[in-house]
Amino acid sequence: GESVGLHLPTLSVQEGDNSIINCAYSNSASDYFIWYKQESGKGPQFIIDIRSNMDKRQGQRVTVLLNKTVKHLSLQIAATQPGDSAVYFCAEDYNYGQNFVFGPGTRLSVLP
Amino acid sequence: EPEVTQTPSHQVTQMGQEVILRCVPISNHLYFYWYRQILGQKVEFLVSFYNNEISEKSEIFDDQFSVERPDGSNFTLKIRSTKLEDSAMYFCASRGTVMNTEAFFGQGTRLTVV
Repeated sequence: GESVGLHLPTLSVQEGDNSIINCAYSNSASDYFIWYKQESGKGPQFIIDIRSNMDKRQGQRVTVLLNKTVKHLSLQIAATQPGDSAVYFCAEDYNYGQNFVFGPGTRLSVLP
Repeated sequence: EPEVTQTPSHQVTQMGQEVILRCVPISNHLYFYWYRQILGQKVEFLVSFYNNEISEKSEIFDDQFSVERPDGSNFTLKIRSTKLEDSAMYFCASRGTVMNTEAFFGQGTRLTVV
């Protein structure tokens, strides 16, 4: 079936640098996407979302970009901090909200 | 800030035993979900629930699983006869509306089947 996937399973960045985490999706009917952050032993925590009628959305230090032409989603974190170290999942709103399909996740490690 | 709460945080059970995982969704939310995450793997959808019935379920959610919202506040996941492969983190989530809003997740219940 259609699913959401990630290009990079791990990403290491220097503190203060910008991070970019990528995600590919295959369900062209999906119209809503979410990035979640998961710290060790905790549940997924909402970071930012974007609807399919937008191509960019900014939050505090985070930006999500959506390219519907190539079905690609990215999360940009500015000035990465140690507290940003976690696993990041993109999630696709699938089947008109009946469930979210999560990607496999990218582990972000922030180096001092 | 409202949050989804789950109990217990950790449950150890013997294979073949029944377990009930409990969740209190955010009040006034209408859509409820259970997900599971095997250690080191991605978050997998189990079931969604709305208006006192299952909206959608995955292949994982077989006859051994059931969900219930018995009293208007709790949302439970029951596994009738646990197997070793049921060991995972189980996350409950709730959502106010179904379209274009984020789901809020609880902290999870770690289920260990021995």
